[in-house]
Amino acid sequence: DQQVKQNSPSLSVQEGRISILNCDYTNSMFDYFLWYKKYPAEGPTFLISISSIKDKNEDGRFTVFLNKSAKHLSLHIVPSQPGDSAVYFCAASALGNNRLAFGKGNQVVVIP
Amino acid sequence: EPEVTQTPSHQVTQMGQEVILRCVPISNHLYFYWYRQILGQKVEFLVSFYNNEISEKSEIFDDQFSVERPDGSNFTLKIRSTKLEDSAMYFCASRPRDEKLFFGSGTQLSVL
Repeated sequence: DQQVKQNSPSLSVQEGRISILNCDYTNSMFDYFLWYKKYPAEGPTFLISISSIKDKNEDGRFTVFLNKSAKHLSLHIVPSQPGDSAVYFCAASALGNNRLAFGKGNQVVVIP
Repeated sequence: EPEVTQTPSHQVTQMGQEVILRCVPISNHLYFYWYRQILGQKVEFLVSFYNNEISEKSEIFDDQFSVERPDGSNFTLKIRSTKLEDSAMYFCASRPRDEKLFFGSGTQLSVL
């Protein structure tokens, strides 16, 4: 079951630069998308979300872009900070469906 | 800030034994979930619970698994006869009416 795919499992970026994480999905019924951040020994924490009626949502340093025709979304973190070093999960759900489908995650390392 | 709490943080058990993983969701949340993450793999949906009954379950959630909300605050996951492949990090999550899930820190289950 690969409904949500995150390629490039790890990313290293210099502090202050932009981090870009990509996510692709296959289920055209998905209409709500979320990014979660996970530190070691902790549960995933919600970061930002976007519904399918929008193509961009911004919250401080975090911006999520959605391209429905390409079934693609991305997370931009700018400027990246050392505290952003974590695993980032893309997740998606469909209206009326209780479950979130997760990608495998991207490890981000921000180098001071 | 309210949080989802899970106990124990680590559980070691022998194959064939029963285990109960415990969770206290956020008090005004309506939907409750169990997810798991096998080492190196993605976060997988197990089951969702709403209005005192299972609302959805995955293929993983077979007859060996059960959930309960015995007293209005706790939410438990029971595995009746553990198998080696049940070794994983188990996350409890809850949410209010919107889509944003809040996760606990997880219980690392090791089946020997």
